[in-house]
Amino acid sequence: ELKVEQNPLFLSMQEGKNYTIYCNYSTTSDRLYWYRQDPGKSLESLFVLLSNGAVKQEGRLMASLDTKARLSTLHITAAVHDLSATYFCAVDNFNKFYFGSGTKLNVKP
Amino acid sequence: DTAVSQTPKYLVTQMGNDKSIKCEQNLGHDTMYWYKQDSKKFLKIMFSYNNKELIINETVPNRFSPKSPDKAHLNLHINSLELGDSAVYFCASSQPARPSYNEQFFGPGTRLTVL
Repeated sequence: ELKVEQNPLFLSMQEGKNYTIYCNYSTTSDRLYWYRQDPGKSLESLFVLLSNGAVKQEGRLMASLDTKARLSTLHITAAVHDLSATYFCAVDNFNKFYFGSGTKLNVKP
Repeated sequence: DTAVSQTPKYLVTQMGNDKSIKCEQNLGHDTMYWYKQDSKKFLKIMFSYNNKELIINETVPNRFSPKSPDKAHLNLHINSLELGDSAVYFCASSQPARPSYNEQFFGPGTRLTVL
């Protein structure tokens, strides 16, 4: 079965700092997705990465995909408290989605 | 509003009961899903339907039976509820083709508590 591993699982950081969340997956896939989940809420789509070398940016978040290394990263620049949430990566394997365990991000003011 | 909606939002019931969760999407998507999120926030796919046809059926107890009366609706019926069924159940929809490329849109979730 395809495995998706995220690290770290928990991340506590100060406002203004930069950090990267890593997402490794165990089989070939050209599609990778990042989602955000606030406590008690649903999942919100952040990025869709469709090919090797894809990079997308929205505000302080930037996601990239290296399909050869089976690795995606979510980079946070100058974190602010509003980014506190749980972030999931997911891989599409023939319309079957496998999610990572999530990275719970806490940005301290 | 264009969205994925689920009812009910909360469901508290006794072991052994039967319950249903309804899901509707008005995004015009062909594919709908059910996911289970456990207490550790782990998300696992349960079922997927494409245009009313079952395409993914994970190793889920057969007490769980999905039904898709049309491509905009996907319901989940659960028989003989057990304590371990307590979780948040999310419905989602997606469109495999461009421009969405299977980006999933999630419903608000149904928090099921089995006592």
